[in-house]
Amino acid sequence: AQSVTQLDSHVSVSEGTPVLLRCNYSSSYSPSLFWYVQHPNKGLQLLLKYTSAATLVKGINGFEAEFKKSETSFHLTKPSAHMSDAAEYFCVVRDSMDSNYQLIWGAGTKLIIKP
Amino acid sequence: NAGVTQTPKFRVLKTGQSMTLLCAQDMNHEYMYWYRQDPGMGLRLIHYSVGEGTTAKGEVPDGYNVSRLKKQNFLLGLESAAPSQTSVYFCASRDSEGDSYEQYFGPGTRLTVT
Repeated sequence: AQSVTQLDSHVSVSEGTPVLLRCNYSSSYSPSLFWYVQHPNKGLQLLLKYTSAATLVKGINGFEAEFKKSETSFHLTKPSAHMSDAAEYFCVVRDSMDSNYQLIWGAGTKLIIKP
Repeated sequence: NAGVTQTPKFRVLKTGQSMTLLCAQDMNHEYMYWYRQDPGMGLRLIHYSVGEGTTAKGEVPDGYNVSRLKKQNFLLGLESAAPSQTSVYFCASRDSEGDSYEQYFGPGTRLTVT
């Protein structure tokens, strides 16, 4: 069965420094992988997605993620954090064999930006 | 184009009361989903629908019922609310065409059961 593990519940960085949010997944088949962001008291927004094309995926707001099959990882990065990046980030996997497209969600990583 | 909307935004229920949450989408999407979000956990799928008139159970369906009488609406019902159902509920929809796979989310409903 597929699953997602976000390795850090909280990540704290200073404004202007790099961001790394870690995600590992398990899936029986070729997965589709996503990162969603949730700002405080807001809904969920898609940041980026991997669906078996290029392994380095660029998303909105300067975020990117690299799919590494050998490491079963899909870590989210950004070169320079901004105060507006403070939010909770969810790594999500969809099993490619699931025609009904059920998503499996990680527990989330809260990103804290220090001024 | 409002996207996905949810009604109400907030609700407080007493144990044993019933209520219905409404999700509406104006994107003509076939697939619709209901999730719950609890602290320290990712979203968990309650029920979903692959088209008008169809529903299916997700990961945590107990205590909930759903209906999809119209393509644009997906209703989530709690027949007898319990404190364990205190949560934030999100509705989502997606198109069945193409390989986008993106789900579009509503703003959420915060439900407290006392």
